[in-house]
Amino acid sequence: SAVISQKPSRDICQRGTSLTIQCQVDSQVTMMFWYRQQPGQSLTLIATANQGSEATYESGFVIDKFPISRPNLTFSTLTVSNMSPEDSSIYLCSVLKDLGGYGYTFGSGTRLTVV
Amino acid sequence: GENVEQHPSTLSVQEGDSAVIKCTYSDSASNYFPWYKQELGKRPQLIIDIRSNVGEKKDQRIAVTLNKTAKHFSLHITETQPEDSAVYFCAASDSGAGSYQLTFGKGTKLSVIP
Repeated sequence: SAVISQKPSRDICQRGTSLTIQCQVDSQVTMMFWYRQQPGQSLTLIATANQGSEATYESGFVIDKFPISRPNLTFSTLTVSNMSPEDSSIYLCSVLKDLGGYGYTFGSGTRLTVV
Repeated sequence: GENVEQHPSTLSVQEGDSAVIKCTYSDSASNYFPWYKQELGKRPQLIIDIRSNVGEKKDQRIAVTLNKTAKHFSLHITETQPEDSAVYFCAASDSGAGSYQLTFGKGTKLSVIP
């Protein structure tokens, strides 16, 4: 399975600022996803990161707030923009290496606290 | 879109007993059903998965069953150990739709009492 490096592991940010989270995979993968997990809650899909094109966002998430890039098959970034305390959460990168094998892998997550 | 319901939200069992967690899904096109274990402060880890063309799958003390007609699937853990204590999430995916998105249940906090 793919090995994911997600950075930063945690950060404390001021209200109104932005944070960019990086997801680096050790091999080319077909699909990359970004999830949010609020404390004690389940995982909610923010968007699918599409290589070379705009991400596909889920209901309730918009590009202006969560811009996503995926310049190649091994790297993606998620930016949390104009942060408020409600954005405090864990953000997780997930990858699917190939469409036939399934087996989604998760990064270690970024714990974001907005003050 | 897909909706996954998971029960119970919390489960306490004595060490050595069995634990069962149940999930139902809404989209009959879903064809892949993984289970993840998440320990406190750690990433979700895949523990077992099943595809829609299979009714049951086992891996040592862990098994998953799938009933496509009823649209539900279950996780069975036998001979539970304290290290099985964690939050377990079920999920469903419809690869046929081309999205390959996972929709998660709300999770079950399993506590194994020594």
